[in-house]
Amino acid sequence: GQQVMQIPQYQHVQEGEDFTTYCNSSTTLSNIQWYKQRPGGHPVFLIQLVKSGEVKKQKRLTFQFGEAKKNSSLHITATQTTDVGTYFCAGRAGGTSYGKLTFGQGTILTVHP
Amino acid sequence: GAVVSQHPSWVICKSGTSVKIECRSLDFQATTMFWYRQFPKQSLMLMATSNEGSKATYEQGVEKDKFLINHASLTLSTLTVTSAHPEDSSFYICSASTPGDTQYFGPGTRLTVL
Repeated sequence: GQQVMQIPQYQHVQEGEDFTTYCNSSTTLSNIQWYKQRPGGHPVFLIQLVKSGEVKKQKRLTFQFGEAKKNSSLHITATQTTDVGTYFCAGRAGGTSYGKLTFGQGTILTVHP
Repeated sequence: GAVVSQHPSWVICKSGTSVKIECRSLDFQATTMFWYRQFPKQSLMLMATSNEGSKATYEQGVEKDKFLINHASLTLSTLTVTSAHPEDSSFYICSASTPGDTQYFGPGTRLTVL
């Protein structure tokens, strides 16, 4: 079945440093979504990428979707303490625009002030 | 944005009892709802996919007789954990979506079985 691998599992940074998490799928994806889960909270949708090579930005966050639609990354510039949480990627199998998402293991981000 | 609610937010029950968790889409009609389970510091594991008016599709390894799912309307799905045991203690999260749309997650229900 489809597998989505995410690295690193943990990342500790000093406030102001950059942070990147990577997501790789065993199969071609129809689209990929990114979520943020604060400690004790539930996943909150950040963005969806659909097109090959797509790049989207949300303030300090930059999301990329690979040309082969099998990998993606989330980059945060100049982290802040409010960025703390677990970042999950979730992919949908190729050929479907809806249906179940397969979640990566998540990257737990800790930001030291 | 779309809002999904879950009730209860937390529940403690005795071993052997059954617990029902409700998931509601408050401001949109969800043709599909998903039920996930999350252990501490782990990812979300999809348990089942439920479509309104039809039987739920369970993921491999999930016992359908233990985790009963009912999707009676476009705004409500329920998950019943039957004869709960301590190993069923977990964070259960639902999400709701429409075809081609984002999944909107509920706040989750933390179940503790004593």
